[in-house]
Amino acid sequence: DAGVTQSPTHLIKTRGQQVTLRCSPISGHKSVSWYQQVLGQGPQFIFQYYEKEERGRGNFPDRFSARQFPNYSSELNVNALLLGDSALYLCASSLRQGAGNTIYFGEGSWLTVV
Amino acid sequence: GENVEQHPSTLSVQEGDSAVIKCTYSDSASNYFPWYKQELGKRPQLIIDIRSNVGEKKDQRIAVTLNKTAKHFSLHITETQPEDSAVYFCAASRGSNFGNEKLTFGTGTRLTIIP
Repeated sequence: DAGVTQSPTHLIKTRGQQVTLRCSPISGHKSVSWYQQVLGQGPQFIFQYYEKEERGRGNFPDRFSARQFPNYSSELNVNALLLGDSALYLCASSLRQGAGNTIYFGEGSWLTVV
Repeated sequence: GENVEQHPSTLSVQEGDSAVIKCTYSDSASNYFPWYKQELGKRPQLIIDIRSNVGEKKDQRIAVTLNKTAKHFSLHITETQPEDSAVYFCAASRGSNFGNEKLTFGTGTRLTIIP
């Protein structure tokens, strides 16, 4: 079985540009979450989506947005990129939402903003 | 919101010895505590998790203990091997069937196994 897949794996953007990151959850998983991991730190929660609805949002500015599609895949969009947005963006999926659900991470998308 | 503290930030142990990493959490409503191992340039991989209705869980050389009263949980790795070298993150979640499953991560422990 395929795990959580993300694309692109690496990308370089210029300050002020916009970026879209994509995620396909494990087959059968309906919950998708996004995390930002800055070098040397733990992942920080950005969004969670379940059944195409936003179920949680972390402390990130409105430049960050996301959505989930009917096939449960998801996109994370970041507008007006700043140098500080350079990070590993991780997508995670779980079977359903709620406490105690095992959460599996994808390999991530490495974003560098120059 | 939830705050998770993790100690130590770095840990070096001789191969074959045991390693212990400790985490404390602030939100008494947290009820799920996973541990992730992250190798350089790779994704976090779940190695073990524990739920609040259990005090201890073991999987081969890895064990996790939870003290709900003190709000702390620990990872124990016995008979350490060079391939155990990585960064380890603890996390906590208070999600429910009506809320979200946000994980709050600790700051990580860089474990180095000395051959």
